[in-house]
Amino acid sequence: SQTIHQWPATLVQPVGSPLSLECTVEGTSNPNLYWYRQAAGRGLQLLFYSVGIGQISSEVPQNLSASRPQDRQFILSSKKLLLSDSGFYLCAWSVGSGRRHEQYFGPGTRLTVT
Amino acid sequence: EDQVTQSPEALRLQEGESSSLNCSYTVSGLRGLFWYRQDPGKGPEFLFTLYSAGEEKEKERLKATLTKKESFLHITAPKPEDSATYLCAVQAGSDYKLSFGAGTTVTVRA
Repeated sequence: SQTIHQWPATLVQPVGSPLSLECTVEGTSNPNLYWYRQAAGRGLQLLFYSVGIGQISSEVPQNLSASRPQDRQFILSSKKLLLSDSGFYLCAWSVGSGRRHEQYFGPGTRLTVT
Repeated sequence: EDQVTQSPEALRLQEGESSSLNCSYTVSGLRGLFWYRQDPGKGPEFLFTLYSAGEEKEKERLKATLTKKESFLHITAPKPEDSATYLCAVQAGSDYKLSFGAGTTVTVRA
């Protein structure tokens, strides 16, 4: 069966500090990978998605970036955090081909920028 | 741009009191409509995918239906453990992205 991991679970960082969140998927090959942010009381905002190694699409202009160094690894980064970067960050995966495109989410990382 | 609107924002039910959640959507070329359950502080959990109008899916006390403009999530005889935020999302066009609604938070009192 497939499993998706995210770490850390919680993070408190000062404004201007760097960020690195990691997501890994087990039990599947060549998945599509996604990073979302969920603000309190709001829906999920898609930040980045990737259909393969080194292939990243950005949905929202911001000071965040994403990388996919391995097939089942997705990293979200920032060089300098802003207060507005606080939120709940979710990684998700979906099958890379075929009709079924439901996404499966990780446990999330709660980021607080102080 | 794809739009997904969920109503109501919040729903308080007595245990055993059946109700429905609504998800209305405006998309060009719907490929799938997805329902998720999200518990506080956790990632969304996949529930159902609906592909075409008239389709229905069931899981325990939950039943999802789809028309050309909206989807309903029916909760039959809910229990306190059904308390959660229920998210609706649509996929349209030729890419893999999902557009999410803001969710309906359901609270079931014993």
